[in-house]
Amino acid sequence: QLQLQESGPGLVKPSETLSLTCTVSGGSISSSSYYWGWIRQPPGKGLEWIGSIYYSGSTYYNPSLKSRVTISVDTSKNQFSLKLSSVTAADTAVYYCARRPQSRLVLDYWGQGTLVTVSS
Amino acid sequence: DIQMTQSPSSLSASVGDRVTITCRASQGISSWLAWYQQKPEKAPKSLIYAASSLQSGVPSRFSGSGSGTDFTLTISSLQPEDFATYYCQQYNSYPPTFGPGTKVDIK
Repeated sequence: QLQLQESGPGLVKPSETLSLTCTVSGGSISSSSYYWGWIRQPPGKGLEWIGSIYYSGSTYYNPSLKSRVTISVDTSKNQFSLKLSSVTAADTAVYYCARRPQSRLVLDYWGQGTLVTVSS
Repeated sequence: DIQMTQSPSSLSASVGDRVTITCRASQGISSWLAWYQQKPEKAPKSLIYAASSLQSGVPSRFSGSGSGTDFTLTISSLQPEDFATYYCQQYNSYPPTFGPGTKVDIK
């Protein structure tokens, strides 16, 4: 059974870089059938697609965040990661990692999510 | 970006009720629409893709319809486990965008 688990600091200072890792178990991140993505949800608000990555390293970033986002993949560890630079309080959110079938931009398996608070 | 709207923003219903949620796109998206269910403090769960295709394991009381700009999610007979917030998401064009959600709670 596929599982995704986010990990990383729950508190980040303003202007610093948010770093999260998603560990995939029960399936291979190197599968040619899937992309792997990050989505966030500010407290009490809706969902925002941050970006996604293929096992080959090919990425897509939401233009609204593109200048600050880097998503990378480590196939040897079955993990992919998110870095968001120059964070502000507006980046406080629950961050989810998820799987996306290659054939459609729909997220079919999600991690449980991790709350990241930006505060000094 | 394509803007997604949903109506109503919330509704109260009873177990056994038929519930319909509407999603509208700011421009035509063909049938490239998905629906998700989110319960409090939980990750969203994929229900429907391509406007009307049920994800594996999703009960048949859930159905989706529509194309172009107007879509609906219908729950034919609301069950206790269906009380949640429902989001639509378009994937016709980048970036994929979500609706603001419709909260379904107990009447």
